[in-house]
Amino acid sequence: SYVLTQPPSVSVAPGKTAEITCGGDNIATKSVHWYQQKPGQAPVLVMYYDRDRPSGIPERFSGSNSGNTATLTISRVEAGDEADYYCQVWDSRSDHRVFGGGTKLTVL
Amino acid sequence: EVQLVESGGGLVPPGRSLRLSCTTSGFTFSDYAMSWVRQAPGKGLEWVGFIRSKAYGGPTQYAASVEGRFTISRDDSKSIAYLQMRSLKADDTAVYYCTRDRLGKSTARDDAFDIWGQGTMVTVSS
Repeated sequence: SYVLTQPPSVSVAPGKTAEITCGGDNIATKSVHWYQQKPGQAPVLVMYYDRDRPSGIPERFSGSNSGNTATLTISRVEAGDEADYYCQVWDSRSDHRVFGGGTKLTVL
Repeated sequence: EVQLVESGGGLVPPGRSLRLSCTTSGFTFSDYAMSWVRQAPGKGLEWVGFIRSKAYGGPTQYAASVEGRFTISRDDSKSIAYLQMRSLKADDTAVYYCTRDRLGKSTARDDAFDIWGQGTMVTVSS
């Protein structure tokens, strides 16, 4: 089955830019979605179809997808952005949805 | 307001069965594909399976880890999705989330999950 690889952790200072990557074989041919999960809470969709933001998600969140890597970028990081972030795609071969292992974003 | 509320979790011995329910409101349930996603304690998200809307067809799909043991169904008259779990193992211990595809009346197979329930805990232990 299709495998998505995320770094376990990313650290960033407040006000700086965080980049969270999601690697997969030729992932650029797939639509990537991103979810934010804070402790004790359900996940929240923060980016869909690579680069579209749901209503209510700040413009500081952006997405890109090229080659073998999709990236969620968070500009001007705030303490409230500290959370786990998961990428997700649809695997056309199996007709299954697949999640990456998740990345813990720490705001220093 | 769109809401998904899971129920039916609890403590169950290995080998037994359990049925989870996802009661929905605030949208036309029959138009949407619904999925179940689980999260073991301290671990990441794992897609369990999904069921499409009857109008937009296609087979129900399951992750390999639950294929043959779990069944997803839906009652459009009650706006409820179900997850029937059989032959439960310790590895099935997790919070189980119900979630909805972003678009209704859609044949898109690669859509995102836009609404999530609060989750229900299932603990498989003797």
